[in-house]
Amino acid sequence: EDQVTQSPEALRLQEGESSSLNCSYTVSGLRGLFWYRQDPGKGPEFLFTLYSAGEEKEKERLKATLTKKESFLHITAPKPEDSATYLCAVRGSYNTDKLIFGTGTRLQVFP
Amino acid sequence: DVKVTQSSRYLVKRTGEKVFLECVQDMDHENMFWYRQDPGLGLRLIYFSYDVKMKEKGDIPEGYSVSREKKERFSLILESASTNQTSMYLCASSFPGRGDTQYFGPGTRLTVL
Repeated sequence: EDQVTQSPEALRLQEGESSSLNCSYTVSGLRGLFWYRQDPGKGPEFLFTLYSAGEEKEKERLKATLTKKESFLHITAPKPEDSATYLCAVRGSYNTDKLIFGTGTRLQVFP
Repeated sequence: DVKVTQSSRYLVKRTGEKVFLECVQDMDHENMFWYRQDPGLGLRLIYFSYDVKMKEKGDIPEGYSVSREKKERFSLILESASTNQTSMYLCASSFPGRGDTQYFGPGTRLTVL
């Protein structure tokens, strides 16, 4: 069964304190791993798509990496405006456009 | 920029009422999706559609139906709202074959009293 597990559930960082969020997945034949950012009361905002092990993508202070079993979202020198819930999702095993989502990591960055 | 809009940000309904949630996308996407999001449970797929007049059940379709009469519009219908359908409802759309990235609307916070 396709599954996505994110850790930690919540993370509190001081401004400037770099860290990583983890997304572990179980899927037969990965056809895309997606990272989204979600602010309270709003819809998820797309950040990155990764397709194959070894792939990396960057956007400002965020960098996403992918291995055969997990993905990391590295946050370098975070700022308070990076506070949000970060969601990870994978495309399902079969010929489908469905996404399976993790429950997210809630990040709080304090000044 | 992809734009997905939802008809209401907040909605309050009574038990037993028929509820319509509307979603419109402006990028000519074939795929459209309805999710609900609850604390601790993440996003769960209710229904999705690959084309006009086509629909497929997601993981939690019970108590819901959908309608897609035009490519840009996908409606979620709660035939008889119940308190356990109080949730955040999110619509998304995607264009198959180009990364399948799903783009989300702002969400509708539905409260059923």
